[in-house]
Order: sequence, then C-alpha cells, then structure tokens
Amino acid sequence: KAGVTQTPRYLIKTRGQQVTLSCSPISGHRSVSWYQQTPGQGLQFLFEYFSETQRNKGNFPGRFSGRQFSNSRSEMNVSTLELGDSALYLCASYRTPQETQYFGPGTRLLVL
Amino acid sequence: GQQLNQSPQSMFIQEGEDVSMNCTSSSIFNTWLWYKQDPGEGPVLLIALYKAGELTSNGRLTAQFGITRKDSFLNISASIPSDVGIYFCAGQPSGYYGGSQGNLIFGKGTKLSVKP
Repeated sequence: KAGVTQTPRYLIKTRGQQVTLSCSPISGHRSVSWYQQTPGQGLQFLFEYFSETQRNKGNFPGRFSGRQFSNSRSEMNVSTLELGDSALYLCASYRTPQETQYFGPGTRLLVL
Repeated sequence: GQQLNQSPQSMFIQEGEDVSMNCTSSSIFNTWLWYKQDPGEGPVLLIALYKAGELTSNGRLTAQFGITRKDSFLNISASIPSDVGIYFCAGQPSGYYGGSQGNLIFGKGTKLSVKP
C-alpha cells in the first residue's frame, strides 16, 4: 500500500510570493492534517480536513489556507511568504478523525 | 497554549545500552503517541497509547501512558545503530472537539546519536 505522498519535496521561493503544496493521502484515508516543522518551534498543527470539510485550524495567520478535494487529496497555500515561513511542511493522513495518523515525507520550503 | 515537555533533548547511545525518554504536560491528554523521525523523512509512528496506565511494547520499544494522564515514557532496550534519530512524543489534549487525532501537540524531540 502506497504511503502519503507530498509534492514537491523541495521548494525555493522569495518573500512576497505565494506557494501551493500538495498531499495525496493513503488510499482509503479520508482525513488529512497539515503541520509545520521548524527547528525553533518544532511541529505545529496547521489544519485538519475530513471529507472536504475543515474540522480544525491551528494558530496560524490567515495567509495559511488549505482545502481538500473529493478524492481526499489536499492542498495548502501560503500567500505573501515571509522568511519565517521556511520550514518542513508535513501532511498526515488517517482513515477517520479517531484513528492514528501517518505522515508523508514533507515538503521543505525555503523562503529567501 | 498547551505544551509537552520532552526530555532529554539529546543523548548519546552505545550499542547495547537501554535508553529512556519522557514527556510531561501540565494538562490532561487522552492519547499519547511516540514517533521517530529520520533525516529527510516524516515522523513514523512507533507506539500509540489510549488508556491511562497502558503499557505497550513494539519489539525493543516499550511505552507507558501515565496514570495521571499528564505524562508518558518511552524505553528502548538493547539499542542498535539504526535507533539513532529524533524521537517525538505527541498527545491529543483532553476535551478536544470530536475526539479527533488530527490536532496533536508535539514535544520538541529527543535526538539520539551514537557515542563517538
């Protein structure tokens, strides 16, 4: 069974630009969560989607947004990038919100 | 916001040694999870704990959900070189909407390295 896939794996952007990251969950999983990982703050929850609905959102500014499609694939978007947005963005998928989640390899974003 | 205090931050291991690490919180958690992350990869789930007092093993790994629901520990017995990496505890806070696993709180990690 294929794991969670995230594209692209690496990305370099400049301040002010916007970026879209993609996550394909494990087949049969309908829930997706996104996390930001930085050396200083560690892993921090961004949002959670289940059946195309955002169930929860972390404490991030409105520049961070996401969505989930009918095939459970999810995207997250960051607009007006700042240097501090440089991080590893991790996506996790799970069958239902009550089950354990499995992480993808992440997208490493560098903002210059 | 809620935080998990994970210790130690780093440790060096020699092959064959036993390793212990723990996480504590000031608030109650419903679930405790332990993950390992290798460089360039996402965290991989090692052990999941769902009940206070629960003791669960996965090969050489053993973890326990504290009775107070505010702590958890992970032990690795007879460590081997491939155990190096960063270990994270994660928890689902009590009272979280819908009982979802999605909004996990993570510790800052324990980095395991091989003794020079």
